[in-house]
Amino acid sequence: DIQMTQSPSSLSASVGDRVTITCRASQSIRGQLNWYQQIPGKAPKLLIYAASDLQSGVPSRFSGSGSGTDFTLTISSLQPEDFATYYCQQSYSVSLTFGGGTKVEIK
Amino acid sequence: QVQLQESGPGLVKPSETLSLTCTVSGDSISSNRHYWGWIRQPPRKGLEWIGSGYYSGSDYSGGTHYNPSLKSRVTISVDTSKNHFSLKLTSVTAADTAVYYCARHVGSGDYFDYWGQGTLVTVSS
Repeated sequence: DIQMTQSPSSLSASVGDRVTITCRASQSIRGQLNWYQQIPGKAPKLLIYAASDLQSGVPSRFSGSGSGTDFTLTISSLQPEDFATYYCQQSYSVSLTFGGGTKVEIK
Repeated sequence: QVQLQESGPGLVKPSETLSLTCTVSGDSISSNRHYWGWIRQPPRKGLEWIGSGYYSGSDYSGGTHYNPSLKSRVTISVDTSKNHFSLKLTSVTAADTAVYYCARHVGSGDYFDYWGQGTLVTVSS
């Protein structure tokens, strides 16, 4: 299986901050990386697919970048509704795997 | 609007079989446009993909992909007449306690764009 490692595992930030979350794959996955947001008690929500494509309806303050083994999710100006846990997921291998998550908390 | 809804027992005894169904509205499972998948999340832990299936026109057997760590215990099947798909997980233990989500799996990119709300299944005697 391809292992996905996210960092940090948690972070504290304020409304308006720029936030960057990193996801690293154990081998090259080219650009086949997706990002999800999960609010407590809710199902995950797709934010970004294919490393940098914004899912329809997702605010433009969310962006993704990277290729190969290193990827980032950036929130340009953190909003109150963005406090959640974020997961990356690789789609290079037929055996799909998720990262461990990054919890974004209010400072 | 595509919607998915999981249903099934919330409590399963150890060594027995966990069975869940996902009813889809707003899309047709038999349209061959997408895969349909299951993902689980143990309490206070991350997400684990269980498997996904694709309606091949006759049955699901030719188009299923399973997590290797669960493959020996998992079956995903589809009932096109009811527009729903199902998960069976055999020989469950406490480690299988989790919230189980069904989701639409976009085959062209292998990501999940619509999710059910999730259902908690507890394995306990």
